[in-house]
Amino acid sequence: SQELEQSPQSLIVQEGKNLTINCTSSKTLYGLYWYKQKYGEGLIFLMMLQKGGEEKSHEKITAKLDEKKQQSSLHITASQPSHAGIYLCGADSAGTASKLTFGTGTRLQVTL
Amino acid sequence: GAVVSQHPSWVICKSGTSVKIECRSLDFQATTMFWYRQFPKQSLMLMATSNEGSKATYEQGVEKDKFLINHASLTLSTLTVTSAHPEDSSFYICSASHPDRFNQPQHFGDGTRLSIL
Repeated sequence: SQELEQSPQSLIVQEGKNLTINCTSSKTLYGLYWYKQKYGEGLIFLMMLQKGGEEKSHEKITAKLDEKKQQSSLHITASQPSHAGIYLCGADSAGTASKLTFGTGTRLQVTL
Repeated sequence: GAVVSQHPSWVICKSGTSVKIECRSLDFQATTMFWYRQFPKQSLMLMATSNEGSKATYEQGVEKDKFLINHASLTLSTLTVTSAHPEDSSFYICSASHPDRFNQPQHFGDGTRLSIL
């Protein structure tokens, strides 16, 4: 079965600092999705990566998928308190772009 | 963008009660919806895949008779927690698979917090 490991599990950064969250899959991925969640709320879609070596950016967040399509990173530049939350990577391992398996999550806190 | 509505957002009920949670795709038709469960400080665990017009597919370890899923229309799936007990208390989230799923992601509801007393 598909397993996704995220690291770190939790992260506390000072406002303005950069940070990176990693997501590693035990299998080759057809697609990798990044979501953000405030605890007790729904998921906010951030980015979808499908091709090896692909990189996408939105505002201060950049996500990359490695050439082997087994590892992805999410990088936040100049973090702000609004970036705080739980970041989840989701994997499409069946090529259906439908059923997703989620990673263990990374809890981000941004201090002033 | 595509929107998925989940209702109720929060419910408290007595042990032994059955609770129904609705998941609606508001501006697209979803032949497939998914139900997840999330415990505090943990990730989302897929419970079942809801297929319009057919039986749901449950993940290993999820009790079919405990968590009844009905997907009677292309815009509505329901999850009924039957004879709920305190251990069923959790955060339940649904998602809907967009028809253009290879270019659009799954869309998630805002979740339902279920507390069983």
